[in-house]
Amino acid sequence: KAGVTQTPRYLIKTRGQQVTLSCSPISGHRSVSWYQQTPGQGLQFLFEYFSETQRNKGNFPGRFSGRQFSNSRSEMNVSTLELGDSALYLCASSETRNTQYFGPGTRLTVL
Amino acid sequence: AQSVTQLDSHVSVSEGTPVLLRCNYSSSYSPSLFWYVQHPNKGLQLLLKYTSAATLVKGINGFEAEFKKSETSFHLTKPSAHMSDAAEYFCVVLSGNTGKLIFGQGTTLQVKP
Repeated sequence: KAGVTQTPRYLIKTRGQQVTLSCSPISGHRSVSWYQQTPGQGLQFLFEYFSETQRNKGNFPGRFSGRQFSNSRSEMNVSTLELGDSALYLCASSETRNTQYFGPGTRLTVL
Repeated sequence: AQSVTQLDSHVSVSEGTPVLLRCNYSSSYSPSLFWYVQHPNKGLQLLLKYTSAATLVKGINGFEAEFKKSETSFHLTKPSAHMSDAAEYFCVVLSGNTGKLIFGQGTTLQVKP
């Protein structure tokens, strides 16, 4: 099976803009989770989706949002970008919620 | 609440020598524990997982980890390091039945020729 794919791989935005990141899970996986990785905070959970419903949300401001489509693909959106949003955003998919498989990530740089 | 603590931020070994990366966990019930590896500019790759079956877990690339409840530890080992093992390693616990992974701060493994 193909692995988790994320697009785009790299993004450069300026403060105040918004951005949408996309994630396609492994075929047959219905759960998608998003994580933010920064040098200072490490890896932090953003949210989890299952069957188009957000099941869990991390401690991030409302500027961070997401959704999942009927084909299990997921998007996350960050509005009003801040410099501190520069990070590697990782998507993970799972079949059973127990074991998560990660994509290569999207590197977002906010100038 | 569950948490994991990686006891070393940086470990340096010579090629061909054993690797030990230490992780302690905190959990009020039997946890699901994982080790992931991240090579530079890459995503996370699952090395192995413990889900309350055998306490000695074998993973990919010769890595294994032993779950020790009495010590609340889940250390990662490999008998002989290879140059390609140089990477960042994360010890991870699954937060209950939430689907949320809680990561340790990571251990950078350096392998010297």
